[in-house]
Amino acid sequence: DTGVSQDPRHKITKRGQNVTFRCDPISEHNRLYWYRQTLGQGPEFLTYFQNEAQLEKSRLLSDRFSAERPKGSFSTLEIQRTEQGDSAMYLCASSLASGREPFDYEQYFGPGTRLTVT
Amino acid sequence: GDSVTQMEGPVTLSEEAFLTINCTYTATGYPSLFWYVQYPGEGLQLLLKATKADDKGSNKGFEATYRKETTSFHLEKGSVQVSDSAVYFCGGDYKLSFGAGTTVTVRA
Repeated sequence: DTGVSQDPRHKITKRGQNVTFRCDPISEHNRLYWYRQTLGQGPEFLTYFQNEAQLEKSRLLSDRFSAERPKGSFSTLEIQRTEQGDSAMYLCASSLASGREPFDYEQYFGPGTRLTVT
Repeated sequence: GDSVTQMEGPVTLSEEAFLTINCTYTATGYPSLFWYVQYPGEGLQLLLKATKADDKGSNKGFEATYRKETTSFHLEKGSVQVSDSAVYFCGGDYKLSFGAGTTVTVRA
């Protein structure tokens, strides 16, 4: 397994366009997370899935953002009607939640998709 | 809400100097705590972790001890190298998310 992969690595789009990013987690991992990271900041939590269920969404995730994980494997993050403020690095991470202690949920990160909205 | 607060940088050190980066957390329970490192041009990598109070995580000469009484998880290394130049993030599970990151530059 080569780890978490994300596609594309870079995306430049015009304001108002829709974009979709893909994340392929480590195959045996049941949890998948999306984060957004802007320059000089740490990753900010957006949402996470356990298998195919989206269990939590941050208030940062406006109604222009939607994420899916239809078969509990890869996930997509779509941003509709992009705005310049959406420019950021979008990170995906995965973890294995065993349901047994310790509940450390160590996350493995992908390389990210850098979005630039012009 | 749950959060972590991390010492702001940037930090510039000479080789073989002692490094410490402070991190404190606010949480309703006792979350697992992590330090991640991001080398230039690379993604976040787990550096070390601790899952309960008084646990000490260690890796690559770095150490951090989970202190429940001070709600802290400070990162330390006794003798840094140029190759330790990176951005370091303190974090917990997704609810704690991550600190803002501390940029460390080690000069030869």
